[in-house]
Amino acid sequence: GNSVTQMEGPVTLSEEAFLTINCTYTATGYPSLFWYVQYPGEGLQLLLKATKADDKGSNKGFEATYRKETTSFHLEKGSVQVSDSAVYFCALSGNQGAQKLVFGQGTRLTINP
Amino acid sequence: GAVVSQHPSRVICKSGTSVKIECRSLDFQATTMFWYRQFPKQSLMLMATSNEGSKATYEQGVEKDKFLINHASLTLSTLTVTSAHPEDSSFYICSATLLDRASTDTQYFGPGTRLTVL
Repeated sequence: GNSVTQMEGPVTLSEEAFLTINCTYTATGYPSLFWYVQYPGEGLQLLLKATKADDKGSNKGFEATYRKETTSFHLEKGSVQVSDSAVYFCALSGNQGAQKLVFGQGTRLTINP
Repeated sequence: GAVVSQHPSRVICKSGTSVKIECRSLDFQATTMFWYRQFPKQSLMLMATSNEGSKATYEQGVEKDKFLINHASLTLSTLTVTSAHPEDSSFYICSATLLDRASTDTQYFGPGTRLTVL
């Protein structure tokens, strides 16, 4: 079955540091890939997504590229801010329209000033 | 756009009582709504998938008689935790997908409901 493996946290960085959170997946067919962010006390928000190989999703300075050859969708940001502190979830959905999401375990990110 | 609300945001109840949680898509019609459960510091676990006017599809291991899901319209789904016990205490999150076919792979999440059963 489909699965998502994320880099284990927690991750602690200083402000303006470079961020990478690794995500790899196992899936049949051509899934869509997502990064969701959960700020403290809130629900999940879609951060970015990519629907086919080599697509790059980007939002709020975050980027992730759908790499089919390495089955990866690593999240990157060049310069993090304190406000980026949150839990980040990598997820995939099946290749037939609205399918249930399979989530990674989540990575807690803390940015210190 | 694509806002999903949940009500209540937090509920505390006594063991043995039932609790209803509402999930609404505020500015769009949802083809499908999903219910998740999240334990502290863990990922989301899908409980069930519901489509308007039809019975929900439950994931393996989820008791459908305990977690009743009703999807009465394209903008409202409810989850009722029946005869709640302390082990049902958790964070319950719903999500919805747009009726627009071009975006049906994106789920929009509600803010979650914190259930505490005493």
